[in-house]
Amino acid sequence: NAGVMQNPRHLVRRRGQEARLRCSPMKGHSHVYWYRQLPEEGLKFMVYLQKENIIDESGMPKERFSAEFPKEGPSILRIQQVVRGDSAAYFCASSPLDSLEAFFGQGTRLTVV
Amino acid sequence: GEDVEQSLFLSVREGDSSVINCTYTDSSSTYLYWYKQEPGAGLQLLTYIFSNMDMKQDQRLTVLLNKKDKHLSLRIADTQTGDSAIYFCAPGGNQGGKLIFGQGTELSVKP
Repeated sequence: NAGVMQNPRHLVRRRGQEARLRCSPMKGHSHVYWYRQLPEEGLKFMVYLQKENIIDESGMPKERFSAEFPKEGPSILRIQQVVRGDSAAYFCASSPLDSLEAFFGQGTRLTVV
Repeated sequence: GEDVEQSLFLSVREGDSSVINCTYTDSSSTYLYWYKQEPGAGLQLLTYIFSNMDMKQDQRLTVLLNKKDKHLSLRIADTQTGDSAIYFCAPGGNQGGKLIFGQGTELSVKP
């Protein structure tokens, strides 16, 4: 059973472009969480999704950021019109239903130039 | 909002014990987690404690919880160089994936 897979591992975008980050949860996991880690900081919760549903998006910036977890395929975190302040490591975690433990991917490091 | 505070750095000698401390504000936290992050990697769950427990021991790891003071600590016995990493305290609820992370404590183990 492969772990949580995130791709790409590193992503470079110019200001104004779009960034799409993918997360494939562990097999059998129906819950996905996205976190952002700014340099020298801890992880900040962004959004919690189940298949085809956004459960909690209280940590998502109001503009330019969106997330989805379709019935088939990976979860996608999409950042439109990226700015330098979006440069960070973005981590995805997954868990099965009613679990106390979440498993983290290795993250996507986004650099906006 | 809810807050988690940790000291940023801790340096110990190999073989000594390490104690990493954490204070938090969310009194409704049901479970409190400790994660380890090695350079360039994701987070690895080390252990967690239920909020109605005072202590949990798991091999070299001991977690102490003072719920009244909202203080959590992680003790690593016989610290090894492979324990060098950033350690995050993270209070959470019944759903293990929505957590509040502190800034992390960078543990440096010197031979």
